[in-house]
Amino acid sequence: NAGVTQTPKFQVLKTGQSMTLQCAQDMNHEYMSWYRQDPGMGLRLIHYSVGAGITDQGEVPNGYNVSRSTTEDFPLRLLSAAPSQTSVYFCASSPTGFRQPQHFGDGTRLSIL
Amino acid sequence: GENVEQHPSTLSVQEGDSAVIKCTYSDSASNYFPWYKQELGKRPQLIIDIRSNVGEKKDQRIAVTLNKTAKHFSLHITETQPEDSAVYFCAASKNTNAGKSTFGDGTTLTVKP
Repeated sequence: NAGVTQTPKFQVLKTGQSMTLQCAQDMNHEYMSWYRQDPGMGLRLIHYSVGAGITDQGEVPNGYNVSRSTTEDFPLRLLSAAPSQTSVYFCASSPTGFRQPQHFGDGTRLSIL
Repeated sequence: GENVEQHPSTLSVQEGDSAVIKCTYSDSASNYFPWYKQELGKRPQLIIDIRSNVGEKKDQRIAVTLNKTAKHFSLHITETQPEDSAVYFCAASKNTNAGKSTFGDGTTLTVKP
């Protein structure tokens, strides 16, 4: 099993550009989530999904969209990139959301100029 | 919503000493408390977790204790080694609210040889 795979690993964007961060898992996990990690601020939840076709907002959803058309894939879309969105983004999955550890991808380091 | 506070933010110990990191949480309904280790430039990975029906759990040099009354839980690392140097995150979640996790801000542990 590959686990949780994120692409790309690095990306530089200009302010106002849009892009999609890809996340795929091959563990048949129902629960998937996106976090951003900024220095000294831990991991903050952007959006999450409890199964195909179901998504909801986390702590910091503004400027991001998600969809979950399959169990395996959970892409994160930046609608109009802003410098404040410069961060490291982690995708994670778990069998369910309840009392289960999360499995993280390797992260995407995103810089917005 | 849930609030998780983690202390200290940085911790430096000599090799062979013990290290203790403490987290407090605000929601008494939280019942799952994982700890993740993140090495520089890597993904967070689960090192140990505890559920609310257990007061203590050990795995070799690592232990976690939970005090539900005081709403705090702690990570204990004994006989520290240089490879224990990393950022450690605590988290809390509960059975409702889709099981979303709230993370502490992290502790940077440095083990000096």
